Amino acid sequence: ETGVTQTPRHLVMGMTNKKSLKCEQHLGHNAMYWYKQSAKKPLELMFVYSLEERVENNSVPSRFSPECPNSSHLFLHLHTLQPEDSALYLCASSQGIDGGFFGEGAREKDTEAFFGQGTRLTVV
Amino acid sequence: KQEVTQIPAALSVPEGENLVLNCSFTDSAIYNLQWFRQDPGKGLTSLLLIQSSQREQTSGRLNASLDKSSGRSTLYIAASQPGDSATYLCAAHTGGFKTIFGAGTRLFVKA
Repeated sequence: ETGVTQTPRHLVMGMTNKKSLKCEQHLGHNAMYWYKQSAKKPLELMFVYSLEERVENNSVPSRFSPECPNSSHLFLHLHTLQPEDSALYLCASSQGIDGGFFGEGAREKDTEAFFGQGTRLTVV
Repeated sequence: KQEVTQIPAALSVPEGENLVLNCSFTDSAIYNLQWFRQDPGKGLTSLLLIQSSQREQTSGRLNASLDKSSGRSTLYIAASQPGDSATYLCAAHTGGFKTIFGAGTRLFVKA
């Protein structure tokens, strides 16, 4: 069983559909992330959750709605998407986010990110 | 604003060759730098993480170095194999929940 699991692996949806992407991590990590990877562009950070609280929202349109019910699960709810939203959506987790979060003595390695296999989303 | 650049964008080498991938970042105040491998249509696999206090990290045929003062990191791959063909990404973690990725170097190792 891999450390970070994403489902589904592939998704095709119409612009009026509502769907959800799921991410589950089995690493005991405290932080989870959603990234978007479009063709020939660097990964774009979308959302960050730390201990189930959203700590970062990178100006993502409201048609993307994240949910983190517990530290092991992360969802991305999708509704009324546009064709330009077609991309590979990647989930990641890390033990922590920032050394300062844990105070003195925190390990930089706590920010090492582990990724899932991604969901290839096509909006038609 | 942190920017991460990877050169070259693509690289094709014969099997057995040693090669170097380059990553540069504009803000030297990084927390750590991580190298990933990505196969087509797949997720990212972490290869090496170099903490800001370190100069290099090694794992098998891979060696990554970090020079914060010059804003550069390199990934050295020894004795390349066709199975090394993939896109290699570097990412600078700048703290405050931010990790900035480069666009990647697509590597093709010919048998």
